[in-house]
Amino acid sequence: EPEVTQTPSHQVTQMGQEVILRCVPISNHLYFYWYRQILGQKVEFLVSFYNNEISEKSEIFDDQFSVERPDGSNFTLKIRSTKLEDSAMYFCASSESVQETQYFGPGTRLLVL
Amino acid sequence: AQSVTQLGSHVSVSEGALVLLRCNYSSSVPPYLFWYVQYPNQGLQLLLKYTTGATLVKGINGFEAEFKKSETSFHLTKPSAHMSDAAEYFCAVRLNRDDKIIFGKGTRLHILP
Repeated sequence: EPEVTQTPSHQVTQMGQEVILRCVPISNHLYFYWYRQILGQKVEFLVSFYNNEISEKSEIFDDQFSVERPDGSNFTLKIRSTKLEDSAMYFCASSESVQETQYFGPGTRLLVL
Repeated sequence: AQSVTQLGSHVSVSEGALVLLRCNYSSSVPPYLFWYVQYPNQGLQLLLKYTTGATLVKGINGFEAEFKKSETSFHLTKPSAHMSDAAEYFCAVRLNRDDKIIFGKGTRLHILP
């Protein structure tokens, strides 16, 4: 069964460093998403992406964040200058269309020191 | 604005007993409703969803949920708990015009032998 994959599974970085989290969505899906889950808190929407553009973003998704689909398979989330409060589990998701089910990857656990 | 409330951050049931995880939502228009499960160290897996039509929805692993508009609820049930059901369960809502899913805080289900 097709699935969303994410790399790395864990990432430790120093505050102020840039990180790139990578996702490979399901191959025929056209809509891509990033969510995050700070430890002990709820899963929160960050951004959605369609047709090489951001279609919706939350207040969390400020200028430090960016997303890109650099080729036909990868979908990346970049955090330009990490802060301690960026430590969280980051989930990528994809769907065939906006009405269809979003399928989630296993997540990348980011720890900012 | 949409919101999701899950009653009980932790629920314990005995193996073989009924599982009931409560979820209430707030939405200005009829939403799509979801239950996702997160097993330890894994991503979010869709258990079931309600979009339109029959209000009793059956999902994987013997779970089902009933959409009750009058009560704005979407409680998750399973007649007989199994040890493998131990996980965190997230109720979620999405407007059919929106990209983003709004998640509840999650309920950790413990199964007692």
